Amino acid sequence: DAGVIQSPRHEVTEMGQEVTLRCKPISGHDYLFWYRQTMMRGLELLIYFNNNVPIDDSGMPEDRFSAKMPNASFSTLKIQPSEPRDSAVYFCASSLFDRLSGYTFGSGTRLTVV
Amino acid sequence: DQQVKQNSPSLSVQEGRISILNCDYTNSMFDYFLWYKKYPAEGPTFLISISSIKDKNEDGRFTVFLNKSAKHLSLHIVPSQPGDSAVYFCAASAFNNDMRFGAGTRLTVKP
Repeated sequence: DAGVIQSPRHEVTEMGQEVTLRCKPISGHDYLFWYRQTMMRGLELLIYFNNNVPIDDSGMPEDRFSAKMPNASFSTLKIQPSEPRDSAVYFCASSLFDRLSGYTFGSGTRLTVV
Repeated sequence: DQQVKQNSPSLSVQEGRISILNCDYTNSMFDYFLWYKKYPAEGPTFLISISSIKDKNEDGRFTVFLNKSAKHLSLHIVPSQPGDSAVYFCAASAFNNDMRFGAGTRLTVKP
């Protein structure tokens, strides 16, 4: 298995533009998580899905952020409109419900909003 | 609200010596604890875990200790190697499967 695949690896966009981050989880994993890493706040959980259903989106910072999981092999995180303070590294992770085995993270998308 | 805290942003040790990374948590509902290692430009990778029914778990050079009464856990690396240089994240979860992470500690192992 190629692991969790995120695209793009880097994204530079202008303030006000729409940004879409993509994630392909590991086949067979029924949990998918979106995290954001910043210097100030570390790794923050934004939202997670179980069997393609959003379970907890309380970490989504505001209505400009939305996430979807239309099927078991694909998820998107969208920011519209983007702002400079959204600049961060966004990680996607997937797992089974085995709380001792942890998550498998993708390599992340570094987003820069100018 | 930081429920998982790593108060040391960095740690430097000599190769061959012990590295001790510390983590505190505030949520008494947490019952699974994990450590992740992260290299630059990569995602975090799972290292070792422990459930609250144990106070120690060992995997090769890595040992995690859990002190539930103090709400404290630590990761010991013995002996430390230059390849262990990375950012280490402590994480915890409650009854569900979502994890809360600490801010990370950057470990540097000097040859």
